[in-house]
Amino acid sequence: GQNIDQPTEMTATEGAIVQINCTYQTSGFNGLFWYQQHAGEAPTFLSYNVLDGLEEKGRFSSFLSRSKGYSYLLLKELQMKDSASYLCAPMDSNYQLIWGAGTKLIIKP
Amino acid sequence: GAVVSQHPSRVICKSGTSVKIECRSLDFQATTMFWYRQFPKQSLMLMATSNEGSKATYEQGVEKDKFLINHASLTLSTLTVTSAHPEDSSFYICSARDLGQGAWETQYFGPGTRLLVL
Repeated sequence: GQNIDQPTEMTATEGAIVQINCTYQTSGFNGLFWYQQHAGEAPTFLSYNVLDGLEEKGRFSSFLSRSKGYSYLLLKELQMKDSASYLCAPMDSNYQLIWGAGTKLIIKP
Repeated sequence: GAVVSQHPSRVICKSGTSVKIECRSLDFQATTMFWYRQFPKQSLMLMATSNEGSKATYEQGVEKDKFLINHASLTLSTLTVTSAHPEDSSFYICSARDLGQGAWETQYFGPGTRLLVL
């Protein structure tokens, strides 16, 4: 079956760094997406990894290891506005995104 | 670029009425659009994949006669919830792929429509 495993909730301090891990199992693989979703809003695209390694985009970086079925999202210099849910969504062989419940990130001053 | 709009953003209706939700790609063409539903604190659930000029592909368990999808142009898809009932109350979100972007697989989401059926 297809499965995504992310921590349900994480807490971090403003200005710090946090890493949100994701392990996945899919039928085939066509890349992995990270989305940010604020409460009551639709997801917004953060990153896409299809090859192994680290993709850096400003304060956010995303890493992928296809052989391990593992990805992480790294957020640096945390700001209060980063409080949101972060969704790891791998794409299967049919180019369908597989969604988990995401990780709720709480930023404290 | 890659902006997707949805209308209305919020709707309250009586049980038994039909509600139409529009999804538009504003600055790109989208041959494929997706309709999702999300209940509070739950993951996104794909309802159907909408292809321009052809019938939508519905996910298992989604009633195609209840959730009518029309993808009449490269920039517009509509979802009509027919004879809505309180259990249809949810957050409905559309997304679209921007074929012009480098990562064509990327889905860009509309802001969502919150439906409350009384």
